[in-house]
Amino acid sequence: DAGVTQSPTHLIKTRGQQVTLRCSPKSGHDTVSWYQQALGQGPQFIFQYYEEEERQRGNFPDRFSGHQFPNYSSELNVNALLLGDSALYLCASSLGGHNTEAFFGQGTRLTVV
Amino acid sequence: DAKTTQPTSMDCAEGRAANLPCNHSTISGNEYVYWYRQIHSQGPQYIIHGLKNNETNEMASLIITEDRKSSTLILPHATLRDTAVYYCIVRAGGTSYGKLTFGQGTILTVHP
Repeated sequence: DAGVTQSPTHLIKTRGQQVTLRCSPKSGHDTVSWYQQALGQGPQFIFQYYEEEERQRGNFPDRFSGHQFPNYSSELNVNALLLGDSALYLCASSLGGHNTEAFFGQGTRLTVV
Repeated sequence: DAKTTQPTSMDCAEGRAANLPCNHSTISGNEYVYWYRQIHSQGPQYIIHGLKNNETNEMASLIITEDRKSSTLILPHATLRDTAVYYCIVRAGGTSYGKLTFGQGTILTVHP
């Protein structure tokens, strides 16, 4: 049973560019959440998708957007990249509506230069 | 979600029990205590969660005080592979959304 998979694992982008990160949830999970983790900090919640809709959002600007597909996979898009967007981006999947644990992927390390 | 307070770092000898405390004095009745850990360069890993009763699984035990204002995660026989950042998170239960609010966590270092 594959867990949460994220791609790519590493990425280098230039300021002002746009980036798309991808996530496939654990089998049977229908909810995907995205987190940003800066160096030395705990993960910060970006948003959560359920039934192809953004259900909850953290304190991130509109440059951060996402999408969930019918197969529950998800994308995180970041426009107009800033140096401060350099971070580990984590995807977590869970079963919507249930108080169960979230499973995290290994993350995508984004470096903005 | 309630705020949690954890020590910045702790040390433990290999083979001994590691006891990681967490204070969540503002926890409300429907909020659960979750523990995750993050080994260097990996995504967070779920350990255990509970509401008010003590919980045990193959990884750890969770002891929640009777007033629910604090809890302790116990790794009964710590190994070098348990070296990680441990996060205590309080989150509303029931059919709530899956948002997790991470703090700074406790850096646990297990020594040979």
